[in-house]
Amino acid sequence: KAGVTQTPRYLIKTRGQQVTLSCSPISGHRSVSWYQQTPGQGLQFLFEYFSETQRNKGNFPGRFSGRQFSNSRSEMNVSTLELGDSALYLCASSITTGSGGYTFGSGTRLTVV
Amino acid sequence: GESVGLHLPTLSVQEGDNSIINCAYSNSASDYFIWYKQESGKGPQFIIDIRSNMDKRQGQRVTVLLNKTVKHLSLQIAATQPGDSAVYFCAERSQGAGGTSYGKLTFGQGTILTVHP
Repeated sequence: KAGVTQTPRYLIKTRGQQVTLSCSPISGHRSVSWYQQTPGQGLQFLFEYFSETQRNKGNFPGRFSGRQFSNSRSEMNVSTLELGDSALYLCASSITTGSGGYTFGSGTRLTVV
Repeated sequence: GESVGLHLPTLSVQEGDNSIINCAYSNSASDYFIWYKQESGKGPQFIIDIRSNMDKRQGQRVTVLLNKTVKHLSLQIAATQPGDSAVYFCAERSQGAGGTSYGKLTFGQGTILTVHP
């Protein structure tokens, strides 16, 4: 079956703009988590969604937000982009919240200039 | 606070050797641990997991050992191959309030494994 799909793969934005990233989980998976990966900070948890509800949130400013749709697809939004937001954004899906077996997508590489 | 750290940032081995990648974690409340492999340009790929009620789990060519006494996790790769070259991450999941476990993983810094033919 298809894996976790993230779109777009690459994105270049200007400081101050906003961006929306998309994640389609594995069919049947209802939990989607988002992570930011940078060389300096490594992989850091952003938030998790399950049944269209945010279940957990990491230590990121309010400029980072997300949502989940009834078909379990998820989007994350970053407003007022800063240079430091340049990163690989990864999403992971699992069958249900707390079930384990988190499968990651290939990520969206965001570059802020 | 919650943190997962790796002892060695790089590891170089010869093809056919066994590799051991280590990880220390600090949260004794963590109930689930995962090892991921990440190749350049790709997302982390699941290798093997282990729950806190176990101390060893084996997969194909890989073994994960969990020592809760010293909060230590290790990944053993048997007969390492050039295709195993990648960055390896350990991750832990901590239980939330009321014993619930959400999808928040805390990752280690990663170890770069290089396998020489």
